[in-house]
Amino acid sequence: DQQVKQNSPSLSVQEGRISILNCDYTNSMFDYFLWYKKYPAEGPTFLISISSIKDKNEDGRFTVFLNKSAKHLSLHIVPSQPGDSAVYFCAASAMVRGGADGLTFGKGTHLIIQP
Amino acid sequence: NAGVMQNPRHLVRRRGQEARLRCSPMKGHSHVYWYRQLPEEGLKFMVYLQKENIIDESGMPKERFSAEFPKEGPSILRIQQVVRGDSAAYFCATRTGTGNEKLFFGSGTQLSVL
Repeated sequence: DQQVKQNSPSLSVQEGRISILNCDYTNSMFDYFLWYKKYPAEGPTFLISISSIKDKNEDGRFTVFLNKSAKHLSLHIVPSQPGDSAVYFCAASAMVRGGADGLTFGKGTHLIIQP
Repeated sequence: NAGVMQNPRHLVRRRGQEARLRCSPMKGHSHVYWYRQLPEEGLKFMVYLQKENIIDESGMPKERFSAEFPKEGPSILRIQQVVRGDSAAYFCATRTGTGNEKLFFGSGTQLSVL
């Protein structure tokens, strides 16, 4: 049973345009959400996070939106750059439990930025 | 400040051999998580350890897999009698104390079982 779902295995976006990556979750105990970026042959690197008390968090070109009622979050990258080409993982945690279970990850979306 | 160090980067084993994967946390990090990524899959939680203690091993296969995080030295993920299905990338992630959920990942160990 997948608790964190990324339904798009891949996404192709033209350089300079906006990239929107989506993520859905089913566990209502999740209250902290993160996005990780992964290049081939490297470990995931933290990108941006959001707590359930917020509905938006922005960091430079990256913005994460959280819709708790829909159990949906999205990552917006604008403008998209060639270096953004990578696999993006959505992850969730139940902080109320002290994060003892670690993070639950989606399967990832491979973002390809076209020149 | 060195990041999370995993070694080896690549490990090749024949069926039936043992695999030992090592993870040295970032300085000041006392919480260690092991994840496995199978081809075309996301990262699957395996085990969560603090120094000398296994906190949650609900993601670990019941047989052949074990993990430790001794008082001194790196965390070790040990796979006995490896099978082809164990071939995967194994990532270690670490963090500081409670209240900070951001995990820092190592570069992973790619295990190939022949």
